Amino acid sequence: DAKTTQPNSMESNEEEPVHLPCNHSTISGTDYIHWYRQLPSQGPEYVIHGLTSNVNNRMASLAIAEDRKSSTLILHRATLRDAAVYYCILRDETSGTYKYIFGTGTRLKVLA
Amino acid sequence: GAVVSQHPSRVICKSGTSVKIECRSLDFQATTMFWYRQFPKQSLMLMATSNEGSKATYEQGVEKDKFLINHASLTLSTLTVTSAHPEDSSFYICSAGQPMNTEAFFGQGTRLTVV
Repeated sequence: DAKTTQPNSMESNEEEPVHLPCNHSTISGTDYIHWYRQLPSQGPEYVIHGLTSNVNNRMASLAIAEDRKSSTLILHRATLRDAAVYYCILRDETSGTYKYIFGTGTRLKVLA
Repeated sequence: GAVVSQHPSRVICKSGTSVKIECRSLDFQATTMFWYRQFPKQSLMLMATSNEGSKATYEQGVEKDKFLINHASLTLSTLTVTSAHPEDSSFYICSAGQPMNTEAFFGQGTRLTVV
């Protein structure tokens, strides 16, 4: 399974944009890039996913590098409720198992 | 949206006893479910893949006789921690998805404390 590398922690001020980077230099052509976040004592929550093109939804935007070896999750206006651990995960859609292997994730702290 | 529900959310058991955790997909049929464990301040570690109607596939280092997984229906998978010991205390999380759905859904987790 292809691995991802994320910074251990990041801080942001409330109401400001946050860019969470993820490196996945060994990504294969069939790997989708998924982002989940986990609040304390809860299961992970889906944020966004993409393959090649940038993606937007109500929660966030996902910017994917042209070579797909890195991606950035963008929270446009961080709120205190966005404080969580954010995981970037690669999922192989052709393997049939679509299991997730979690990396260390980035712990986002939002300052009031 | 699809929901995965775990029960119980919190359980305390005595050392040497067994504990069963249920994972249900509430509004879709899940042919495959996954079980994870998470220690404090650490990431989720995949334990096993649960396939409906067949044996579970365990990740390397996970004892299949200790962590019994049953996936008897398309909406229910269970994880039984047998002969629990304090070192089995952890946060256990299940997830489910469908082959053609690229989004996985996670349960709210079960906090197991073995005393």
